[in-house]
Amino acid sequence: GAGVSQTPSNKVTEKGKYVELRCDPISGHTALYWYRQSLGQGPEFLIYFQGTGAADDSGLPNDRFFAVRPEGSVSTLKIQRTERGDSAVYLCASSPGQGHGNTIYFGEGSWLTVV
Amino acid sequence: AQTVTQSQPEMSVQEAETVTLSCTYDTSESDYYLFWYKQPPSRQMILVIRQEAYKQQNATENRFSVNFQKAAKSFSLKISDSQLGDAAMYFCAYRSANAGGTSYGKLTFGQGTILTVHP
Repeated sequence: GAGVSQTPSNKVTEKGKYVELRCDPISGHTALYWYRQSLGQGPEFLIYFQGTGAADDSGLPNDRFFAVRPEGSVSTLKIQRTERGDSAVYLCASSPGQGHGNTIYFGEGSWLTVV
Repeated sequence: AQTVTQSQPEMSVQEAETVTLSCTYDTSESDYYLFWYKQPPSRQMILVIRQEAYKQQNATENRFSVNFQKAAKSFSLKISDSQLGDAAMYFCAYRSANAGGTSYGKLTFGQGTILTVHP
């Protein structure tokens, strides 16, 4: 695709429910990132994939959060037993490769509201 | 761990005038990248400008330029001839260039500065 695509754009869920957020990176990009942005704050790193493997998952807040990228393209962020504090915009980004000079391109995010 | 600080929660500027947004950062690394991103209400983060730490020359992209002071760990953004379309949240971000470091591959963002442009 032309850009990083994220679905759903908005999601309202009840506390305790399970949620999946999908990210479709720019075609050919091997690096994929998930960030979480709370209202009025800067994005916070969650996890970084290089290909199919999670190269750095140090930002995942607890074991309720999990992300996969089984074929090295589309990624899914999974949140179990959602809590009201999980409400935020979840941003996905991708870049062409592992090179540190590569620009990171962001999607428009998935706005999660837990009620 | 690296930190990025933006001390101006909000800034405003008159159309066609110049405004400077401040950013400071803390790192023990010598090789890294610095970025300014713009986030309009659509939520998409758009890259405005980037600076490689090993380059002494300040980056410039059309009306956008930076003042990079490596020793002071300061990285300000200057927007010249401000336009209504420049109104957005602006984020300063840091990225390690150390392939062996634990923070390699991820961006560390500041808290953001809301820029308002008055006609």
